[in-house]
Amino acid sequence: SQTIHQWPATLVQPVGSPLSLECTVEGTSNPNLYWYRQAAGRGLQLLFYSVGIGQISSEVPQNLSASRPQDRQFILSSKKLLLSDSGFYLCAWSRVRGALSYEQYFGPGTRLTVT
Amino acid sequence: KNEVEQSPQNLTAQEGEFITINCSYSVGISALHWLQQHPGGGIVSLFMLSSGKKKHGRLIATINIQEKHSSLHITASHPRDSAVYICAAAVGGSQGNLIFGKGTKLSVKP
Repeated sequence: SQTIHQWPATLVQPVGSPLSLECTVEGTSNPNLYWYRQAAGRGLQLLFYSVGIGQISSEVPQNLSASRPQDRQFILSSKKLLLSDSGFYLCAWSRVRGALSYEQYFGPGTRLTVT
Repeated sequence: KNEVEQSPQNLTAQEGEFITINCSYSVGISALHWLQQHPGGGIVSLFMLSSGKKKHGRLIATINIQEKHSSLHITASHPRDSAVYICAAAVGGSQGNLIFGKGTKLSVKP
């Protein structure tokens, strides 16, 4: 069976500090991977998606970046955090087959508070 | 106007009531997802559908492609159903990009 892990679960960081959130998927190969953010009182927003190693698409311009160094590893980073980066960050994966849409499976999330 | 609209925003029900949450979208989609977010933040995928109706236990999801509308129904609601229910439109083909509604916060009272 497939599982998706995220860490850390919670994080409190000062403004201007760097960020690294990690997501790994087990039990599947060549998944699509996604980073979402849910800011307080707002809906989920797609930040990045990846269809393969080293392939990253950005949906929203911001001071965040993403990398996919391995097939089942997805990393969200920032060099200098802003207060507005606070939120709940979710990683998700889905299968890929042609142009069909597949169910997405979400990780447990990381709650980030920038102080 | 948001591309995915949900209603109501908040919903309070008594245990046992039949619940309906609505979702309308204005974009072309390959599928529509219904997600459940628990108070701790974890998200579970309930349904993904592109036509007709799906049923899982007490949950039923329907979609009308012509009217660009989907509904999530909960029969015999229970306090453990209390959560935020999120509708998401899948666009972008194999990329699987989702556009999310703002969610419906459901509270079921015993």
